[in-house]
Amino acid sequence: GNSVTQMEGPVTLSEEAFLTINCTYTATGYPSLFWYVQYPGEGLQLLLKATKADDKGSNKGFEATYRKETTSFHLEKGSVQVSDSAVYFCALSARNGQNFVFGPGTRLSVLP
Amino acid sequence: DGGITQSPKYLFRKEGQNVTLSCEQNLNHDAMYWYRQDPGQGLRLIYYSQIVNDFQKGDIAEGYSVSREKKESFPLTVTSAQKNPTAFYLCASSSARTNTGELFFGEGSRLTVL
Repeated sequence: GNSVTQMEGPVTLSEEAFLTINCTYTATGYPSLFWYVQYPGEGLQLLLKATKADDKGSNKGFEATYRKETTSFHLEKGSVQVSDSAVYFCALSARNGQNFVFGPGTRLSVLP
Repeated sequence: DGGITQSPKYLFRKEGQNVTLSCEQNLNHDAMYWYRQDPGQGLRLIYYSQIVNDFQKGDIAEGYSVSREKKESFPLTVTSAQKNPTAFYLCASSSARTNTGELFFGEGSRLTVL
């Protein structure tokens, strides 16, 4: 079946540090890939997405590139802020929202 | 504004009582979902519905029930048969008309059983 693997957290960084959160997936066909963010006590918000190989999703300084050859969708940000502290979920959708699969989430803490 | 509204945000109940969590969306989405999230863990699918008057069990449906009488509404009942109901519950929806299939989430409901 389809699956998503994320790096274990928690990740603790100082403000303005470079962020990478690794995500790899297993899926048949050509899934859409997503990063969601969850702030404390809230629901999940879509951060960025990519729907085909080599697509780059970007939003709020975060980026991720759909790499089919390595089945990866790593999240990066050049300079994190305290306000980026949250839990980040990598996810895939195999077909129009069906078979939506989430990774376990990675907690990020950014210290001033 | 279009979105998903969950209520209540916080709910306390005694053991053995059934509780119903509300989820309403005005996005005109066909599909709706309920997830459970436990502290420090990911999301687990409870139930989902692709169309009105139809729904399917997810990975952890035991002790839960749902209904889908209207396109906009997908309430979740946590029954007394659910052995460990204290958790954060998230409702989501998606449109079959988009190719990306992304999920839109509500703000969540936190249920605490005393």
